[in-house]
Amino acid sequence: KQEVTQIPAALSVPEGENLVLNCSFTDSAIYNLQWFRQDPGKGLTSLLLIQSSQREQTSGRLNASLDKSSGRSTLYIAASQPGDSATYLCAPQTGANNLFFGTGTRLTVIP
Amino acid sequence: DAGVIQSPRHEVTEMGQEVTLRCKPISGHDYLFWYRQTMMRGLELLIYFNNNVPIDDSGMPEDRFSAKMPNASFSTLKIQPSEPRDSAVYFCASSLGMGRGPTEAFFGQGTRLTVV
Repeated sequence: KQEVTQIPAALSVPEGENLVLNCSFTDSAIYNLQWFRQDPGKGLTSLLLIQSSQREQTSGRLNASLDKSSGRSTLYIAASQPGDSATYLCAPQTGANNLFFGTGTRLTVIP
Repeated sequence: DAGVIQSPRHEVTEMGQEVTLRCKPISGHDYLFWYRQTMMRGLELLIYFNNNVPIDDSGMPEDRFSAKMPNASFSTLKIQPSEPRDSAVYFCASSLGMGRGPTEAFFGQGTRLTVV
């Protein structure tokens, strides 16, 4: 079964800093990998989807990279803002059409 | 599109009662997933459908849980009888299959279930 680990579990940074969230997974036979954010008491919002054939994907201040062979993905957030405060979840998808979720990184951006 | 719509947003029920959670996927999406989120276990897949057909229900915890998808625009997750340990947030998600499988998944706002 796919095991997903996200490091760090929590992160607190001052506004304006660039930061990196890490995700590792044990089964490299993935179809794609998706990054989500979850605000307290809310659902999951899709941020980026990286296909297994891609190495990175960008959306605004967010950049996600994928190293499928080593089972790693990173989410880079540039010039962090207080509105970026949320829990970020990594979810590799296997060929069985299942998203396996990590426990997330809780990010706090301090104004 | 309004996104994935779940109802109710909150449900409080007594142990032993039947609970029905509802989901309307994004129009045109042919995959529908039910997830459960708890502090202890994080997000877990319960069951998913493709073209209204249940494909994998191995995540359904017990026979007390059942899910149906009578048509492409509606799905239910039923718990009967409910127990306190079923308390969690239940999410529905949908995606559009392309080629070998689903692509980007979109989640509803969830139903927070409390069984007392």
